[in-house]
Amino acid sequence: AQKITQTQPGMFVQEKEAVTLDCTYDTSDQSYGLFWYKQPSSGEMIFLIYQGSYDEQNATEGRYSLNFQKARKSANLVISASQLGDSAMYFCAMREGGTGGSYIPTFGRGTSLIVHP
Amino acid sequence: EAGVAQSPRYKIIEKRQSVAFWCNPISGHATLYWYQQILGQGPKLLIQFQNNGVVDDSQLPKDRFSAERLKGVDSTLKIQPAKLEDSAVYLCASSFGTSKRETQYFGPGTRLLVL
Repeated sequence: AQKITQTQPGMFVQEKEAVTLDCTYDTSDQSYGLFWYKQPSSGEMIFLIYQGSYDEQNATEGRYSLNFQKARKSANLVISASQLGDSAMYFCAMREGGTGGSYIPTFGRGTSLIVHP
Repeated sequence: EAGVAQSPRYKIIEKRQSVAFWCNPISGHATLYWYQQILGQGPKLLIQFQNNGVVDDSQLPKDRFSAERLKGVDSTLKIQPAKLEDSAVYLCASSFGTSKRETQYFGPGTRLLVL
């Protein structure tokens, strides 16, 4: 079974509008971390936002917010006021416990976002 | 602060040849990761080091792939012999530690084409 599922291969949004990128995850751990990364066409992965499994408030970082619904195992990324520079691949990732107390990361397949002028 | 450095940026080899990639993490980062990213897919973790010890290598094809981080700083990933399906971008990343909230910082990647 996939640990991270991103069901939207591609999304289109008009500049200045908001867009939601979906992510569901699968873990039996109680303690885990959820991340979103952006990968522009240049290829370098850029960290956007983090949500801990025990955090009660949804994380926000500037125009990015994470809609965390723990019971549904959902961690959707919301980008407000989209900009042309937001066009990129977006990856949802999770860190869950491995051996020896270390947390091991897993990435989803990604969603391609295109922002139209 | 310097980012994660990787070399080479591009490599073209023929199948059955060997190839090696090098990564230098951000100074002070104890944890180093190697990922394989096939076109159109998300990064797949190959190996995670904490200092010079292996934390996880469950998805590393050990019959052909090897990695080392002898002094706990830079690292080398080797493929020997290469197969066509190894064509991918190999990403190196680093972080301070291995807690659940550790942000990974990625290098630019090495694009490998196996002919």
